[in-house]
Amino acid sequence: DAGVIQSPRHEVTEMGQEVTLRCKPISGHDYLFWYRQTMMRGLELLIYFNNNVPIDDSGMPEDRFSAKMPNASFSTLKIQPSEPRDSAVYFCASSLREGSQAFFGQGTRLTVV
Amino acid sequence: AQSVAQPEDQVNVAEGNPLTVKCTYSVSGNPYLFWYVQYPNRGLQFLLKYITGDNLVKGSYGFEAEFNKSQTSFHLKKPSALVSDSALYFCAVRDERGKLIFGQGTELSVKP
Repeated sequence: DAGVIQSPRHEVTEMGQEVTLRCKPISGHDYLFWYRQTMMRGLELLIYFNNNVPIDDSGMPEDRFSAKMPNASFSTLKIQPSEPRDSAVYFCASSLREGSQAFFGQGTRLTVV
Repeated sequence: AQSVAQPEDQVNVAEGNPLTVKCTYSVSGNPYLFWYVQYPNRGLQFLLKYITGDNLVKGSYGFEAEFNKSQTSFHLKKPSALVSDSALYFCAVRDERGKLIFGQGTELSVKP
């Protein structure tokens, strides 16, 4: 398996634009996580899914953020409208059952200007 | 609610000396505990985990961690540090519902 695949690797967009980040988890994994990493706030859990169902979205910062998992092999994180403070590295990760380690993608570096 | 604390933002060690990176946690039920490492401009890489069993867990690259239930700690250790161990280290806890959260990270610097 190629691991967790995220796209794009880098995204530069203007304030107010819609941004969509994509993730393909490892085949067979039941859990999918979205994290945001910044210098100030560290690695924050935004939302996670189990068997394509969102379980906890308490980390989503505000209504401008939304995430979907239409099937077991694809998830998106959307920001609309984007703001400069959304600039960060966004990671997707997937895992098997509760006691398993998560495998991370390479991340998407988002810059909102 | 579960939480993870890494009390040191940075740890400095001389090459060849032992290293310890500290972690304490709080979680309902049985904890699943993990350590990850992140190199610049890379994703997180799994080092080791504690699920159940022996309190001393051995992982990749000579790292090990000691689970202490009474102190709710899971400190990362290595007997002899290498310059190449310099990186950002994250402790994580996962609850029985599968939620996985991370500490703030500790930057390890190993000098020759």
